[in-house]
Amino acid sequence: DSGVTQTPKHLITATGQRVTLRCSPRSGDLSVYWYQQSLDQGLQFLIQYYNGEERAKGNILERFSAQQFPDLHSELNLSSLELGDSALYFCASSAGTSAFNEQFFGPGTRLTVL
Amino acid sequence: TQLLEQSPQFLSIQEGENLTVYCNSSSVFSSLQWYRQEPGEGPVLLVTVVTGGEVKKLKRLTFQFGDARKDSSLHITAAQPGDTGLYLCAGVEGSTASKLTFGTGTRLQVTL
Repeated sequence: DSGVTQTPKHLITATGQRVTLRCSPRSGDLSVYWYQQSLDQGLQFLIQYYNGEERAKGNILERFSAQQFPDLHSELNLSSLELGDSALYFCASSAGTSAFNEQFFGPGTRLTVL
Repeated sequence: TQLLEQSPQFLSIQEGENLTVYCNSSSVFSSLQWYRQEPGEGPVLLVTVVTGGEVKKLKRLTFQFGDARKDSSLHITAAQPGDTGLYLCAGVEGSTASKLTFGTGTRLQVTL
């Protein structure tokens, strides 16, 4: 158990819909990262927040957005869903922003868009 | 976008065999990490290598960072069924943790 929790574990929805994925970081960790893992693209970095502020953006679509709340939990919002958005979405947390701060990954949310 | 190619993509071996997984890029990374991911779980960090030519050992696992910091390898000695999983390398750009570029992955199955 990494100490990072993600809900829900599974999500099935239809094209065009909007969903929210939730992540609670390990106690004391200020950085939260979101990743998308699909069969064709592998594991890709989407976005990072540090202590409530957006820190870095990766390959995140404009239809996707995220935020980190004062209690440090984070939400990833996916809208106008397409079939290709079906993937595993992982949240990770770390103490800081250095590359030497280990990232701890949650168990993921499996999103299926029908 | 920097690309990290791993080979082989799939590997099925018997318990007790040795294996090597390769992670190659045309770009230079400041450091490189190796992760293992099991079904239904997120990746777990195994090791970080920082210096070109560095070799790190973790029990039966040996990790090497290429001299030019563009490639890395993971060698497993006497594989066990518990080593089964998806192995991912990840290159780090600069000193910022967010700049993690993951490799294409190697799926390893070790059978009795």
